[in-house]
Amino acid sequence: KNQVEQSPQSLIILEGKNCTLQCNYTVSPFSNLRWYKQDTGRGPVSLTIMTFSENTKSNGRYTATLDADTKQSSLHITASQLSDSASYICVVRGSDNNDMRFGAGTRLTVKP
Amino acid sequence: DGGITQSPKYLFRKEGQNVTLSCEQNLNHDAMYWYRQDPGQGLRLIYYSQIVNDFQKGDIAEGYSVSREKKESFPLTVTSAQKNPTAFYLCASSARGNYGYTFGSGTRLTVV
Repeated sequence: KNQVEQSPQSLIILEGKNCTLQCNYTVSPFSNLRWYKQDTGRGPVSLTIMTFSENTKSNGRYTATLDADTKQSSLHITASQLSDSASYICVVRGSDNNDMRFGAGTRLTVKP
Repeated sequence: DGGITQSPKYLFRKEGQNVTLSCEQNLNHDAMYWYRQDPGQGLRLIYYSQIVNDFQKGDIAEGYSVSREKKESFPLTVTSAQKNPTAFYLCASSARGNYGYTFGSGTRLTVV
């Protein structure tokens, strides 16, 4: 069983709308959680990073939240743009940088 | 510009052939990683290296080999022993400590 589960698998929204992506994890120990954006055929690019003590982190129109007690994170995208169409991957760091656990990603499509 | 470069972008392999994927970084990062990405799955770790002339197996090392003769380079060889090599391969690097990954743009390998 994957230690990082993301939902939904895919999502289609209209341009200008908001959306929220979910990430549940069971990785232990936990060091930090990152959200990455991956355009088709490209490598992932980091959006946010949160440690155990952080609840919210923003990067422009992207806001990530973390509840370390329930082991849940979300990524909220505000006022979506066509360029937001991509896969969004949740990554949890365990004991060290050699122990990164990747979710399968959420495929977001923003339509005009 | 500092970054991590993977080549080629697309690679085709015949049954029974070995092929080598290139990964070069000029970020002065100590650690380098190879991941495999398949549809609907999270990235899976093939091999990683924390210093020159040393590397460790990841979760799915069978059928793959690596070398780390220079800090900047971490090539991956997909051998004929890898029975299902068709996938998207991502190389990443990171600095020492609790830092995230910088990813390359990936190589898509197809068996023909």
